[in-house]
Order: sequence, then C-alpha cells, then structure tokens
Amino acid sequence: DTAVSQTPKYLVTQMGNDKSIKCEQNLGHDTMYWYKQDSKKFLKIMFSYNNKELIINETVPNRFSPKSPDKAHLNLHINSLELGDSAVYFCASSQETSGMPYEQYFGPGTRLTVT
Amino acid sequence: RKEVEQDPGPFNVPEGATVAFNCTYSNSASQSFFWYRQDCRKEPKLLMSVYSSGNEDGRFTAQLNRASQYISLLIRDSKLSDSATYLCVVNQAAWSGGSNYKLTFGKGTLLTVNP
Repeated sequence: DTAVSQTPKYLVTQMGNDKSIKCEQNLGHDTMYWYKQDSKKFLKIMFSYNNKELIINETVPNRFSPKSPDKAHLNLHINSLELGDSAVYFCASSQETSGMPYEQYFGPGTRLTVT
Repeated sequence: RKEVEQDPGPFNVPEGATVAFNCTYSNSASQSFFWYRQDCRKEPKLLMSVYSSGNEDGRFTAQLNRASQYISLLIRDSKLSDSATYLCVVNQAAWSGGSNYKLTFGKGTLLTVNP
C-alpha cells in the first residue's frame, strides 16, 4: 500500500490556467507538507498543516492555495500558472511531537510543466 | 550564509571506495539533523538521523559537531546502488521564538559509484 500518494504524477498545462494537485497519506500522521523542487534540484518547503490547521506558510505567491479537508489529505491549488511554476511538487507527512517533525515520508512527486 | 550548505559535488567514485560528504548549517538553534537520499526522479527518503554522539548504520556513519555547526556522512565500501543524491537536512524553528519546526534541505550532493 502506498503511504503517501499524489495525483497527478505529471501535469502539463499552459500559462494562465488553474490546476490542482491532490495528496493523501494513510500513515495516520497529523502533519502534512508541500515542497517545491526546482530545476536546480533545490527542495524547499512551501506549506505545512497540522491537523488541518495551517502551520507554516513560507514566502509563496498567493496564487498557491493549500487546502486540508481532513488530516489525511492536503491539496494544492495553483491559480494563473506561470512558467516559473514548472517544478516537481512533493507532498510529505510526518508525526510531530511538540512541534518537532520526525521522519518525513514523501509522495512520488508531481512533475508540473507550464508551457 | 546559506541555511544548509553541502559539498557541491558531483562525486564519482569506484566501487569499494570510501566517500565523505560534508554539510554546514547556519542556525545554531537547530534541533535535529538527518541525511536523506534521493534517487533520480524519485522522492527523498530518510537515510539516517544524526545524533550528537555520532551513529553508524552498516556502511554509513554520520557525525555531528554542534560547536562547528557541521554534519558529515561517511560511506564505506561503496556499492553501485549507493548512486544517488545525498541531502543534508536540518530541523529548525519555522520562525524565531516559535514552537513549530521545519526541515531545511541542502541542495544535495550527487554521488555516482562506477563499476
């Protein structure tokens, strides 16, 4: 069984479109994350949610809006896509204790290409 | 100074070689430390945590020097299957004085083990 799953795996779209990426974890973790890995392979946190509550919101354009309907799901909606949004987006989850994350489990990634 | 800085690499070594990766971090309040491994076009996976006293897991040895804010990973008797990007990861407060933490990833060092 897949621990952290993301859909779609690949997403090719044109500038200006709106798209969503979905993430689900079946590990029973209480914290979920979105990361962006750019063309230089630099992995950077975008958001984290703990029990459906937004905890971390890094300097990310407000075109990116995460939504957590329950603690097993964290979706990412992107409005008005730009060329610079092309990257691999990873979802991850972990079980936090006193605000400290332990091992993070990553999904397989969504490779977004904006043309 | 970058939050987490690693050897830029890439490293190309023959099978059986010993290879060492170095990493420095800028936030002296960082709480915990990890090495993750990322295979080509795959998600990052935890390789090992790094403890203050140093720790070993088979052919892998991790060291931490808090005074120098330095972390290392040593791989002995390298195998072809060790070829991957090794990511130095530091757990630090999401914001100054906050109780939530985030993982900050280094850019990674690419290792290729050749037959």
